[in-house]
Amino acid sequence: DVKVTQSSRYLVKRTGEKVFLECVQDMDHENMFWYRQDPGLGLRLIYFSYDVKMKEKGDIPEGYSVSREKKERFSLILESASTNQTSMYLCALLPRVGANYGYTFGSGTRLTVV
Amino acid sequence: SQELEQSPQSLIVQEGKNLTINCTSSKTLYGLYWYKQKYGEGLIFLMMLQKGGEEKSHEKITAKLDEKKQQSSLHITASQPSHAGIYLCGADSVSYSGAGSYQLTFGKGTKLSVIP
Repeated sequence: DVKVTQSSRYLVKRTGEKVFLECVQDMDHENMFWYRQDPGLGLRLIYFSYDVKMKEKGDIPEGYSVSREKKERFSLILESASTNQTSMYLCALLPRVGANYGYTFGSGTRLTVV
Repeated sequence: SQELEQSPQSLIVQEGKNLTINCTSSKTLYGLYWYKQKYGEGLIFLMMLQKGGEEKSHEKITAKLDEKKQQSSLHITASQPSHAGIYLCGADSVSYSGAGSYQLTFGKGTKLSVIP
């Protein structure tokens, strides 16, 4: 089974800091996604990527950017962290398109911006 | 964009009782996923449904997709404390027959508590 690893489970950053959230897969799949999860709002898609150096905006890209220099790593960047970016961030991967293949999620990074 | 409504928002059941969680879409569902999340953790894939009328089971959890492909239900039989968590439904924004983004839109989740 494919494994998706998010480097930090908990992170505390100051307002204005540049923050990097890392997501690494242990195989060679193309489709990777970044979501944030907030109470009452559910999961919302920030950015996704189909391949190296390819990225697409999701529903809420403002204040974020991404980097995919190698296929196995998809990074989410908060250019200047703000308190409204305090959230649970989830990285996901689509191993294969088609029936019975679910998206695989990382264990999440709970980010607090103070 | 596709919207998914889950009901109920939260559920408290006695151990051993059956329960059902519903997921309703504003549009035809091309692929419907069910996930479980324990507090503070990532999402665990449970099942995926694609065809109208399809039904799948895993242990004591059964998921169904209606014929019109706009509603899915998740049924747990004889609930146990290990079933506690947040259940989320997710749907693809495009069909698998064509190229697309394969982005998942999620419902807001149903929080399930099981009392021993």
